[in-house]
Amino acid sequence: GAVVSQHPSRVICKSGTSVKIECRSLDFQATTMFWYRQFPKQSLMLMATSNEGSKATYEQGVEKDKFLINHASLTLSTLTVTSAHPEDSSFYICSASFRDRTNQPQHFGDGTRLSIL
Amino acid sequence: AQTVTQSQPEMSVQEAETVTLSCTYDTSESDYYLFWYKQPPSRQMILVIRQEAYKQQNATENRFSVNFQKAAKSFSLKISDSQLGDAAMYFCAYRSVTGNQFYFGTGTSLTVIP
Repeated sequence: GAVVSQHPSRVICKSGTSVKIECRSLDFQATTMFWYRQFPKQSLMLMATSNEGSKATYEQGVEKDKFLINHASLTLSTLTVTSAHPEDSSFYICSASFRDRTNQPQHFGDGTRLSIL
Repeated sequence: AQTVTQSQPEMSVQEAETVTLSCTYDTSESDYYLFWYKQPPSRQMILVIRQEAYKQQNATENRFSVNFQKAAKSFSLKISDSQLGDAAMYFCAYRSVTGNQFYFGTGTSLTVIP
């Protein structure tokens, strides 16, 4: 069964709205979660690394104030797209990994398809 | 940062035949992990197979096997007896033993022809 739950799976909203996406690890404590963005027929682009209890580490070119990440507990990380615009429309995927178990694969959520009108 | 290259944007295979997807990577590390993920049209990322760099033996999972050539930094995926359900995007990924981050290739879109 799924070990990472991502919600919602699909969001359609008006421009200017803020959208929150949740990523939960179900069977384990994930000290680190990752947020990716994926355009059609392209690879996953890492946006940020979310560490429990500390600030997220953003990749170059990703706006921190635009994409707010909170990792308040060992099982939950949230990504908030603030004041979303049509160019933010994309597929967002989270993943989580076991702490200090680098031989383990990342476990992915099912993704969120965000459409901004 | 490590780079992962998948030189085949698209591949096709006849049902029941065998296909090999290529992946190369660049690293200065001696120990690391390699993965193949499958992403069907549903967009869910599914782990297909993984390989520890310190193991010489190639990993195998049912119809999926890898050809790991450490010196050549090559990690190809072989799919035997291809099935219609194998049609998907396939991503090769690298993970360092010292970090959590994965590095993904650009993907190969596999079509299975009935």
